[in-house]
Amino acid sequence: EDQVTQSPEALRLQEGESSSLNCSYTVSGLRGLFWYRQDPGKGPEFLFTLYSAGEEKEKERLKATLTKKESFLHITAPKPEDSATYLCAVWNNAGNMLTFGGGTRLMVKP
Amino acid sequence: DAGVIQSPRHEVTEMGQEVTLRCKPISGHNSLFWYRQTMMRGLELLIYFNNNVPIDDSGMPEDRFSAKMPNASFSTLKIQPSEPRDSAVYFCASRMGQINEQFFGPGTRLTVL
Repeated sequence: EDQVTQSPEALRLQEGESSSLNCSYTVSGLRGLFWYRQDPGKGPEFLFTLYSAGEEKEKERLKATLTKKESFLHITAPKPEDSATYLCAVWNNAGNMLTFGGGTRLMVKP
Repeated sequence: DAGVIQSPRHEVTEMGQEVTLRCKPISGHNSLFWYRQTMMRGLELLIYFNNNVPIDDSGMPEDRFSAKMPNASFSTLKIQPSEPRDSAVYFCASRMGQINEQFFGPGTRLTVL
């Protein structure tokens, strides 16, 4: 059974204070790893897909990286509007389902 | 594009009542997914359809839950009878082709009293 563990569960940062969120996974054949952002009262919003170890993707202040066991979401000089819950999910070779982690709730204070 | 549309956005009902949640996927997307999100269990897949056909319903908690997709632009998730433990936010997501980037709707917040 695929498992996804995200840490920390919650993270408080000051504006401009860079940090990283972790997503550790065990999966029977990784086909892809996804990062989503979820704002309160809304559905998850797609951010990145990573397909192979060593791959990196960037979007504004966010950069996602992937190894064979984990993924990191690096946030550089965050702003209050980056406050949200960040979810990662794995897609295995067996089918079309995503298995989601519990998320990291990020709070950026001005 | 309007994105994935779900209705109602909020539903409050009493235990034992039938509840029907509705979803309109993004036009042109051929896969549709129903998820449930709770604080305790996070985001869980209930069922997904490919080309209107249910492919995997192993996440459906029990026989009280059923889902249909009569055409490419509409799906329903029904709970009959509803119970307080069904209280959660239910999301619908859709996807195009084989790339598994799923686009989520705004969700339906269900409260069963």
